[in-house]
Amino acid sequence: EDQVTQSPEALRLQEGESSSLNCSYTVSGLRGLFWYRQDPGKGPEFLFTLYSAGEEKEKERLKATLTKKESFLHITAPKPEDSATYLCAVQPGKGGGSQGNLIFGKGTKLSVKP
Amino acid sequence: SQTIHQWPATLVQPVGSPLSLECTVEGTSNPNLYWYRQAAGRGLQLLFYSVGIGQISSEVPQNLSASRPQDRQFILSSKKLLLSDSGFYLCACARGPGGNTIYFGEGSWLTVV
Repeated sequence: EDQVTQSPEALRLQEGESSSLNCSYTVSGLRGLFWYRQDPGKGPEFLFTLYSAGEEKEKERLKATLTKKESFLHITAPKPEDSATYLCAVQPGKGGGSQGNLIFGKGTKLSVKP
Repeated sequence: SQTIHQWPATLVQPVGSPLSLECTVEGTSNPNLYWYRQAAGRGLQLLFYSVGIGQISSEVPQNLSASRPQDRQFILSSKKLLLSDSGFYLCACARGPGGNTIYFGEGSWLTVV
């Protein structure tokens, strides 16, 4: 069964305190792994897509990496405005069906205190 | 760039009442459209997707239905709401290389009382 597990469920950091969020997955062929940011009461905002093990992508203070079993979202010197829930999703590579059938984790709620 | 509009943003409905949530997309033609639901303490779950007008596929059995009367309009409906239908409903659209990236609207909060 395709599954995504994110850890920790919640993470509290001081401003400037770097850390990493984990996304472990099992999927029948990986078409892509996605990271989203979600603010309270809002729709998820797309951050990154990773397609193959060893791939890395960066955006401002965020860097996403991918292995065959997990992905990490590294946050360097976070600021209070980075506070949000970060969602990880995988897109199974099995044939047929919708490309939009992403399997989501429950997210990591990040709080950055000034 | 595309824009995804959803309305209403928030609604409170009694059990047994009907539901209609609307989604329209700007800035793209013939998009793949999706309805997701986000329930408390659970990840987002795909409910329906559509690859064109009148073409609807359901991912999970439920009390809801979807319709696509126009190319950039997607509607989520129910004839009789259940308490378990409460949640955050998100319309999404696929684009990017190979139409592989899913972008979400701002969502509609539904509370069934």
